[in-house]
Amino acid sequence: QVQLQESGPGLVKPPETLSLTCTVSGGSIGTYYWSWIRQPAGKGLEWIGRIYNSGTTNYNPSLKSRVTMSVDTSKKQFSLKLTSVTAADTAVYYCARDLHSSVGGLDVWGQGTTVTVSS
Amino acid sequence: DIQMTQSPSTLSASVGDRVTITCRASQSVSSWLAWYQQKPGKAPKLLIYKASSLQSGVPSRFSGSGSGTDFTLTISSLQPDDFATYYCQQYTSYSTTFGQGTKVEV
Repeated sequence: QVQLQESGPGLVKPPETLSLTCTVSGGSIGTYYWSWIRQPAGKGLEWIGRIYNSGTTNYNPSLKSRVTMSVDTSKKQFSLKLTSVTAADTAVYYCARDLHSSVGGLDVWGQGTTVTVSS
Repeated sequence: DIQMTQSPSTLSASVGDRVTITCRASQSVSSWLAWYQQKPGKAPKLLIYKASSLQSGVPSRFSGSGSGTDFTLTISSLQPDDFATYYCQQYTSYSTTFGQGTKVEV
């Protein structure tokens, strides 16, 4: 079955750029949207944005000015860049398969990766 | 942005109880609503999509209902494995937002 794995630095200094990659295994990256979601410790879920295999993106309006997503179908990977990070960006970051183009919902999730923003 | 409000924030229940969690949207989301279960240190798990469709592999004691702005997640008979935090999510248009979560505890 499809599995997702996030990777990237666990510590980022402000105001640098947070960069994460999600690798898709056990299935195709095509014909689906792929989302990033984050969760600060002890808090709720915040959707960051999604990308389609064509490169089409939708971003959370509150983060749009700092977010860039990209996809590399040959490597079955999609990526997140978040610029000008502050301590408020410290969170567990998840990637997920997004059924936006069909029934909706996020049906496959990575295990999550913790990113701490600190100097 | 569409705001999602869940109630209650915390729910105390016992094994065997019927549990109901509500989610209200700030504007109509039709049936574009999902429910997730999250346990500590784990990723969320999709339970319900399109307001009332049960995700494959999810026990039938979970059910969802509602449309427009008001939605409900029901657990017909709470099991020990069901103590967790539950989130609703709307996914209309090009954006999506989550409710703040409901923690189901003993």
